Amino acid sequence: EEQLVESGGGLVRPGGSLRLSCAASGFTFDNYEMNWVRQAPGKGLEWISYISSVGSTKYSADSVKGRFTISRDNAKNSLYLQMNSLRAEDTALYYCARFHTSWYLDLWGRGTLVTVSS
Amino acid sequence: QTVVTQEPSFSVSPGGTVTLTCGLSSGSVGTNYFPSWYQQTPGQAPRTLLYNTNIRPSGVPDRFSGSILGNKAALTITGAQADDEGDYYCVLYMGSGIWVFGGGTKLTVL
Repeated sequence: EEQLVESGGGLVRPGGSLRLSCAASGFTFDNYEMNWVRQAPGKGLEWISYISSVGSTKYSADSVKGRFTISRDNAKNSLYLQMNSLRAEDTALYYCARFHTSWYLDLWGRGTLVTVSS
Repeated sequence: QTVVTQEPSFSVSPGGTVTLTCGLSSGSVGTNYFPSWYQQTPGQAPRTLLYNTNIRPSGVPDRFSGSILGNKAALTITGAQADDEGDYYCVLYMGSGIWVFGGGTKLTVL
């Protein structure tokens, strides 16, 4: 079964850092481009970052640019999101999502919750 | 910054038809924005309903259809069912690798 499982969320103070992971299984991870999408409590979805299949191309939303870094380790079938200088408004459920070649998000994890609070 | 617009809420009767739209605060949505639609029910991850404007992934019922209506992307549900209740999101490709979700539409079936 194709699956994405996020981990690494938790409570962090404003200004702190956190690293999220996404473990992929059931498919050939290095064939796919990947994304992170977040959802603040009671709010809508927000695309935040993309990485190409080999990790050479990355894009980020303005809201996280310069603070969050997407990366991947294809040998470990894993996607990461390094989050620095965290703010209260970064509090959200963070999903990793697979990018289909037809340009849509075709497989989602269940998310990991990040809470930024003092 | 361009905002992707969706109706905040919509209501449809069981068996009825409803059309949700996805627009831009400035400009028109075309197929070059690669519109896709996702359904989210409480506590669940989003599920893809349509991509590239009007293509359904396998397993999505044909009561869901997509189109470009005027200057917006549209999702039409024909013969709405109770389990169609939930939040519906569109997302558009803005170029330069950037995707932007709409604010979502909360659909009630009653």
